[in-house]
Amino acid sequence: EPEVTQTPSHQVTQMGQEVILRCVPISNHLYFYWYRQILGQKVEFLVSFYNNEISEKSEIFDDQFSVERPDGSNFTLKIRSTKLEDSAMYFCASSQREGEKLFFGSGTQLSVL
Amino acid sequence: RKEVEQDPGPFNVPEGATVAFNCTYSNSASQSFFWYRQDCRKEPKLLMSVYSSGNEDGRFTAQLNRASQYISLLIRDSKLSDSATYLCVVNDYKLSFGAGTTVTVRA
Repeated sequence: EPEVTQTPSHQVTQMGQEVILRCVPISNHLYFYWYRQILGQKVEFLVSFYNNEISEKSEIFDDQFSVERPDGSNFTLKIRSTKLEDSAMYFCASSQREGEKLFFGSGTQLSVL
Repeated sequence: RKEVEQDPGPFNVPEGATVAFNCTYSNSASQSFFWYRQDCRKEPKLLMSVYSSGNEDGRFTAQLNRASQYISLLIRDSKLSDSATYLCVVNDYKLSFGAGTTVTVRA
């Protein structure tokens, strides 16, 4: 069964450093998403991406965040200057069509020290 | 009012019992609805989509009530492996997650 893959599974970084989280969505999917989940809290929407541009973003997705699809397979989330409160599990997801069921990767646990 | 609200539980039930819980949503224009399951520190996994007419998948039954703006999930003959957090997901221009309902099935 096709799956969304994310790397790395764990990332530890110092406050103020840049991190790039990587995702390979399912190959025939057109819509891509990043969500995050702070420990013990709900899954929060960050951004959706379609046709090489952001289609929606949440209040969390401020100027410190950016997304990119640098080639035909990868989808990345960059955090320019990490803060302690960015520590969370970051999930990438993809879907074939807008509003359809999402398939999630296994997540990247980001720890900012 | 929160976009998607769920009773956090926990629902502690014995094996074999039936457990049911709801999720309310605020946007009456929401188009699609899903139940996901999340195990501790894992990614959410789709349990089932929720259709207007209601639908069943084995021991799981999902219902949609548009008039009252809620969806429900019922688990029959619960198994130990059903212990998880169940996430309600609503499509209102983006897919919004509820905070989850925790179910613990005990032997």
